[in-house]
Amino acid sequence: GDSVTQMEGPVTLSEEAFLTINCTYTATGYPSLFWYVQYPGEGLQLLLKATKADDKGSNKGFEATYRKETTSFHLEKGSVQVSDSAVYFCALSEEGSGNTPLVFGKGTRLSVIA
Amino acid sequence: GAVVSQHPSRVICKSGTSVKIECRSLDFQATTMFWYRQFPKQSLMLMATSNEGSKATYEQGVEKDKFLINHASLTLSTLTVTSAHPEDSSFYICSARDPGGASDTQYFGPGTRLTVL
Repeated sequence: GDSVTQMEGPVTLSEEAFLTINCTYTATGYPSLFWYVQYPGEGLQLLLKATKADDKGSNKGFEATYRKETTSFHLEKGSVQVSDSAVYFCALSEEGSGNTPLVFGKGTRLSVIA
Repeated sequence: GAVVSQHPSRVICKSGTSVKIECRSLDFQATTMFWYRQFPKQSLMLMATSNEGSKATYEQGVEKDKFLINHASLTLSTLTVTSAHPEDSSFYICSARDPGGASDTQYFGPGTRLTVL
């Protein structure tokens, strides 16, 4: 079945450091790919998404590019802030219709220190 | 973006009691909603797919008689944890798709933290 693998955390960075969180996936078709963020005590929020190969999703300074050849969707940010401290989940949706559930990675906890 | 709410946000109950969690789509109608469970420091695990007007579809290993799902309207799905026990303590999250929005995007509720004593 479909699966998502994320780098294990926790990841601790100093403010303004560069962030990369690796994500690779396994899917039988052509999934849509997502990054969700969960701030402490809150639910998941969609951070960005990409629906086809070579698409780049971006939001709030975060970027991720859909790489079909490496089945990857790594999350990057050039300069992290303390407010970026959260858990980040990579996810895929196989059919892309929204009526199928998302398959999540295990999440990566990011802590940014001032 | 679309808004999904959950109620209550936190609940503490005694072992053996039943707890109902509501998931509402506030500004759109959702024919399908999903219920996930999240254990501490772990990922979300799909429990069931809630379909308006029909029976929910449960994932393997999820007891349908213990986790009762009702999707009686296009804006409300409920999850009832029956005869709750401490091992049911978890963070329960629902999601729904906005038919009027991007076809592959789901919106998540803020979650309900259940603690069973």
